[in-house]
Amino acid sequence: EAQVTQNPRYLITVTGKKLTVTCSQNMNHEYMSWYRQDPGLGLRQIYYSMNVEVTDKGDVPEGYKVSRKEKRNFPLILESPSPNQTSLYFCASSLSTRGPYGYTFGSGTRLTVV
Amino acid sequence: DAKTTQPNSMESNEEEPVHLPCNHSTISGTDYIHWYRQLPSQGPEYVIHGLTSNVNNRMASLAIAEDRKSSTLILHRATLRDAAVYYCILTGTASKLTFGTGTRLQVTL
Repeated sequence: EAQVTQNPRYLITVTGKKLTVTCSQNMNHEYMSWYRQDPGLGLRQIYYSMNVEVTDKGDVPEGYKVSRKEKRNFPLILESPSPNQTSLYFCASSLSTRGPYGYTFGSGTRLTVV
Repeated sequence: DAKTTQPNSMESNEEEPVHLPCNHSTISGTDYIHWYRQLPSQGPEYVIHGLTSNVNNRMASLAIAEDRKSSTLILHRATLRDAAVYYCILTGTASKLTFGTGTRLQVTL
């Protein structure tokens, strides 16, 4: 089944403790992206990657890092999480950002930083 | 990015058709019109997309105005499982999907 898999689904952590949220897709998509969703602010893009070893900042990149060493994986790294990074996170992938290609989203990771 | 405007919320009775409108008066010639929906506690899900002509798939139909300045997502028979937030998004050459506030569809028995 074509899908984007995120892990973990739920995570509670303490301020300053480094964490990684994994994202993997099995559709050979070139494009991958991370979004966060907060009440009243909607879905906002954190980082995106157009292909292997190509990453760029989205709208809200502060406090996050990403890497794209392989096509299928696009982990989101929080080196020193803070409470304002408590949010619902979604990974997405697509063949391309241009035109008719749809995005496939993961099921989400609910992160709480205390 | 060209903007879209949708009503904040709509209600429908189960088994009835639902027409979800979207205005995109600044659409450019290369923008595709995409619709996604987000069910409670889930990631957004692709529904349908189109460029100029009306489109049908197993989930819904998309009716696009002749001048492309508006479109309507049609759910032919709403069910309780269709209760979600529906997003109308234009995709051109941007490196992301820009989500607005969408339309929250409530389906009642």
